[in-house]
Amino acid sequence: EIVMTQSPATLSVSPGETATLSCRASQSVSSNLAWYQQKPGQAPRLLIYGASTRASGIPARFSGSGSGTEITLTISSLQSEDFAVYYCHQYNNWPPTFGQGTKVEIK
Amino acid sequence: EVQLLESGGGLVQPGGSPRLSCEASGFTFSSYAMSWVRQAPGKGLEWVSTISGGGGSTYYADSVKGRFTISRDNSRNTLYLQMNSLRAEDTAVYYCARDRGYISSSRLFPDAFDIWGQGTMVTVSS
Repeated sequence: EIVMTQSPATLSVSPGETATLSCRASQSVSSNLAWYQQKPGQAPRLLIYGASTRASGIPARFSGSGSGTEITLTISSLQSEDFAVYYCHQYNNWPPTFGQGTKVEIK
Repeated sequence: EVQLLESGGGLVQPGGSPRLSCEASGFTFSSYAMSWVRQAPGKGLEWVSTISGGGGSTYYADSVKGRFTISRDNSRNTLYLQMNSLRAEDTAVYYCARDRGYISSSRLFPDAFDIWGQGTMVTVSS
């Protein structure tokens, strides 16, 4: 199975700044990668699929880039509602696998 | 409104066999693959199982293969997860999710999970 490794585990950012989250795959996942946001007590929410396509209703400050084994999620001008845990998910191969998550916290 | 509503969780004894349900509304249920994803307390997300829109293709994580069975009733817009021989390590919130996966050449290709239910907690303990 493909192992997804996210870094950093925790990212401390001030509101208004930019957060850059990384996801590394143990083998190429092409562009078959999604990003989810999860807030405490809530279900995950799809942000990005196809490595760079924003899901319906997702603000433009969320952007995804990369392919292969290195994929990045960038959150520009962080808002208070963006502080959460973010997961990457590869669906290039069975079984689908998730990264362990990156917590974005207020600095 | 597109919605998924899980039910069937609770406290279960080791070896128990609960069945989870997920009722879908707001979209053409039979047109979509559906998946179960779980999250142990304080942990990350773990894919459990996926079923194609017609129900003919199913996939399981190794950790549940042979113990869990995914199924669906498209006439009732409902997804199920029959869980058998439960262990303490199966304790988790179980989410159902709409899967953007598609069938090609009789094979189900996985994709992102675009709609999630609120989850149902399953606690395995004596």
